[in-house]
Formats: sequence, structure tokens, C-alpha cells
Amino acid sequence: GAVVSQHPSWVICKSGTSVKIECRSLDFQATTMFWYRQFPKQSLMLMATSNEGSKATYEQGVEKDKFLINHASLTLSTLTVTSAHPEDSSFYICSARDRGDSTYEQYFGPGTRLTVT
Amino acid sequence: AQKVTQAQTEISVVEKEDVTLDCVYETRDTTYYLFWYKQPPSGELVFLIRRNSFDEQNEISGRYSWNFQKSTSSFNFTITASQVVDSAVYFCALSGTGANSKLTFGKGITLSVRP
Repeated sequence: GAVVSQHPSWVICKSGTSVKIECRSLDFQATTMFWYRQFPKQSLMLMATSNEGSKATYEQGVEKDKFLINHASLTLSTLTVTSAHPEDSSFYICSARDRGDSTYEQYFGPGTRLTVT
Repeated sequence: AQKVTQAQTEISVVEKEDVTLDCVYETRDTTYYLFWYKQPPSGELVFLIRRNSFDEQNEISGRYSWNFQKSTSSFNFTITASQVVDSAVYFCALSGTGANSKLTFGKGITLSVRP
């Protein structure tokens, strides 16, 4: 149980284009999902927290207009990197909380590797 | 503010050696959770353990064991008889217990196990 998927697993896009990454909870409902970013040989940094049906809460320093997050259903959150540039190349990981889990544990997706050329 | 410190950055051992990964945390919360995750080269985070701050019992799972010392704010992880497949980056993490709690990760420790 508690499986989270991400699609695509890797993507290459040209500078200036936008790319959408999907995060799905496959066997549970997730009222809260999180998006992390990880640069090579670094730790995970929280970008934003998204709650179903409401606007995402972004961490300090994360550009809201560049990283658009939508959490339209209890099983799907999307992250759109708009007008991507090479410095946006990174490993993006999502996680989700099971609404029925009182421990508020986060279940992680397998990650999406974005390369902007 | 919460903080997790993993002072070791890289550790290299020979197969079958025991290795301990250190984790020290800071929090003002009275109730919190501590985690260890493994990140192999594929990138996917693998959950290893969650420990509630009220539960100071040490835990053993196969070759893995964890030592939680609240008095020193440490949650160390030991791999006994290490294997090449243990090579990965290991993250210690801390979270509060509320619905709005966030996970704070340490910087990670890269473990290399040589045959």
C-alpha cells in the first residue's frame, strides 16, 4: 500500500519551454502533497506544499510563477516548470500524505529527472 | 526551527565491516518523528524507519539497527556486516506531528561499500 507514482520519470526539454510533472497517489487519497527539489549530491529541499482544492504554499525563495502547482484532486498534484532554463535542471520528487493516516507520514514518489538544454 | 545534522559526508568501508551513520537533530517540539531514508543511485527514496519521540527503544531490523538517544538528540543508524548493495546516500529526517508538519532532511551521508 501507500504507493506514489510520478510521470515522467525523466524529461529533456529546450530552454524556454514548459514541462509538467505529475504526482499520483495510487492506492490512497492524499489531501496534502509536497514537492521537493534535489540538486546533484545535495539534500532534498522542500519547494511547496499543496493541499487539495486550495493554493499551494511555497517555501521562501521559490518562485510561484515559475513553479506552478495544481492539486485538483485527492490523488493528483502537478508541478509545471514554466519557461524552463538550464538552471532548473534537477531531480524533482513529490510526496503525499494519506488522509487516513494519523501519523502524517509522507510517501515518496520515484522522482523525475529534468534536464533543460 | 528544526535542524538535522549529518556531520559525516562520505564513508567508505570494506564489505562485512560494520558502519554507523550519525544523526543529530534540533527541535523545540515535544513530540516529533525521526526518519531514515536510503537513496540508491536510481534516486528513489527508500523508507527505512520512523521513530516517535516518545519511543526511545532501540530497534533492530535484520542487519540494520537504530540507536535513539533523546538526551543527546541523536538517532544513529548502524549497518552490521555491510554489503555492496548498501552503497547509497542515507538521509536522516525530522518532522513534527501535526497536519501541517514538514520534513526536514539532513545533508545526507554517501556510503560506499567496497567488495
